[in-house]
Amino acid sequence: AQTVTQSQPEMSVQEAETVTLSCTYDTSESDYYLFWYKQPPSRQMILVIRQEAYKQQNATENRFSVNFQKAAKSFSLKISDSQLGDAAMYFCAYLSGSARQLTFGSGTQLTVLP
Amino acid sequence: EADIYQTPRYLVIGTGKKITLECSQTMGHDKMYWYQQDPGMELHLIHYSYGVNSTEKGDLSSESTVSRIRTEHFPLTLESARPSHTSQYLCASSHLGTDNTEAFFGQGTRLTVV
Repeated sequence: AQTVTQSQPEMSVQEAETVTLSCTYDTSESDYYLFWYKQPPSRQMILVIRQEAYKQQNATENRFSVNFQKAAKSFSLKISDSQLGDAAMYFCAYLSGSARQLTFGSGTQLTVLP
Repeated sequence: EADIYQTPRYLVIGTGKKITLECSQTMGHDKMYWYQQDPGMELHLIHYSYGVNSTEKGDLSSESTVSRIRTEHFPLTLESARPSHTSQYLCASSHLGTDNTEAFFGQGTRLTVV
């Protein structure tokens, strides 16, 4: 079974600064998908960014980018120019190549300080 | 916003009662999931489905059951609620193929069993 590990239960960042959230995963598959989801307080979980394992180029969505290290099985999220609205619980998730189960890490609570 | 809905949003119920948590999506997604989110915010997959009449148990053992009689509807039932079932339950859906792997989440049902 695949496992996803987020070793930082809590992180904080000053507004306008940059923060990196860590994620590692364990799999024997070569084809899979990785995601970062955001869950604001009392609101729906939404997708932040997605990475296909077969793509070497790191995914980027505006202020959000990832550092995907396939050999190291590492998938970190970088948030640039942090905003107060970025405060949320962030989950790293893994989807197998067969697109069957979606497995989540334990989450990182991000606080943005004004 | 995603077109996936969960009802009720909040439920307080006595021990031994039978309850059904509703989840519906209007996106035509084949895959649907139920996650249990504990107070530490970690998400555990308890059930998933690939389509009508297809249901599978997830990684976390659960006394709940699910059914998938219609594509858009994936209800979760507890025959006899217990205090240990107190948790937040999140429903999600996605396309079956690997072309579009994003999962969309409902707002969740906060269940309290007293």
